[in-house]
Amino acid sequence: EAQVTQNPRYLITVTGKKLTVTCSQNMNHEYMSWYRQDPGLGLRQIYYSMNVEVTDKGDVPEGYKVSRKEKRNFPLILESPSPNQTSLYFCASSPTGGWTDNSPLHFGNGTRLTVT
Amino acid sequence: AQKVTQAQTEISVVEKEDVTLDCVYETRDTTYYLFWYKQPPSGELVFLIRRNSFDEQNEISGRYSWNFQKSTSSFNFTITASQVVDSAVYFCALSEAMRSGGGADGLTFGKGTHLIIQP
Repeated sequence: EAQVTQNPRYLITVTGKKLTVTCSQNMNHEYMSWYRQDPGLGLRQIYYSMNVEVTDKGDVPEGYKVSRKEKRNFPLILESPSPNQTSLYFCASSPTGGWTDNSPLHFGNGTRLTVT
Repeated sequence: AQKVTQAQTEISVVEKEDVTLDCVYETRDTTYYLFWYKQPPSGELVFLIRRNSFDEQNEISGRYSWNFQKSTSSFNFTITASQVVDSAVYFCALSEAMRSGGGADGLTFGKGTHLIIQP
């Protein structure tokens, strides 16, 4: 089954303790992206990657890191989490990101992060 | 810069009523894509429709229909004969096809409309 898998689904941590949210897709997609969703703000893009070893900042990249060492994986790293990073996070992928095909972004099921 | 406005924060209707969710967008690009996603209470994002800027045909899919009007920069979504299962947050999103440098970018989402269908 084609899917985007995020882990964990729920995570509670403390300020300053490094964490990684994993994202994996099995569709051989080139484009992957991370979004955060906050009440009243909708979804905002954190980082995206057009292909392996190619990453770029989205609208709200501060406090986050990503890496794309292999096509299928796109982990989101919080080196020193703070309470304002408490949010619902979504990973997404698309064949090319260029929208030249008919495939929309495929989203994972989300990771709810709480930083105390 | 691209922007999506969903002015209706929350809508509550009684089951079987028709309901329209508004979406107004801003973009300087001539080639762009518009999307609607549904987020049910379980939290996942479900793709509903994508429309490119050159296709202004309205679309109907069962009880769902979409009205795209470039003249008013709107891409409204109507649910006919609403059902309780339609209760969700609905997001409209926009993507410009090409940015400077040749790379495509991600979606810009509206803030969402929380639709409540009462039995």
